[in-house]
Amino acid sequence: GEDVEQSLFLSVREGDSSVINCTYTDSSSTYLYWYKQEPGAGLQLLTYIFSNMDMKQDQRLTVLLNKKDKHLSLRIADTQTGDSAIYFCAETPNSGNTPLVFGKGTRLSVIA
Amino acid sequence: GAVVSQHPSRVICKSGTSVKIECRSLDFQATTMFWYRQFPKKSLMLMATSNEGSKATYEQGVEKDKFLINHASLTLSTLTVTSAHPEDSSFYICSARDVTGANVLTFGAGSRLTVL
Repeated sequence: GEDVEQSLFLSVREGDSSVINCTYTDSSSTYLYWYKQEPGAGLQLLTYIFSNMDMKQDQRLTVLLNKKDKHLSLRIADTQTGDSAIYFCAETPNSGNTPLVFGKGTRLSVIA
Repeated sequence: GAVVSQHPSRVICKSGTSVKIECRSLDFQATTMFWYRQFPKKSLMLMATSNEGSKATYEQGVEKDKFLINHASLTLSTLTVTSAHPEDSSFYICSARDVTGANVLTFGAGSRLTVL
């Protein structure tokens, strides 16, 4: 079945850039997502990208997609302490009623 | 944007009792909702797909008689944990997709269940 892999931990200094990486196995992935989860809370959609795109930028967030290598990354510029959270990569092969397949999440710690 | 409301956010119950968790799509209709379970420091495990007006589809290993799902309307799905045991203690999160919008999955805030 589909699999999504992420590194479990990332630690950066405040003001630096953070890069969270994700790999997936499903070559039919159509939509790829990044969600953020703060302690004790649900998941908040940060951004998503369609598989026919290479890059998407939204303020401090930049998503890069290498479809050939099935690699997705999330770059957070000027990382702040409020960015400390768990970041989940997810994919779905198509639209409609297909559930997302999630990675295990990367815990980002921002050091002041 | 799309909002999914989940209630209660926290619940503590005794072993053997049943607990109901509600998931509502506030400003859109959701024919399908998904229920996830999250263990400490773990990823999200899809439990079941809730379909409005029909039976839920459960993932392998999830007991349908233990985790009852009812999707009676286009805006409400409920998850009932029956005869709860301490090992059912977990964080349960529902989600719904607004298929008329950006086709993304919107999550509720989650429900923390503690079974004593």
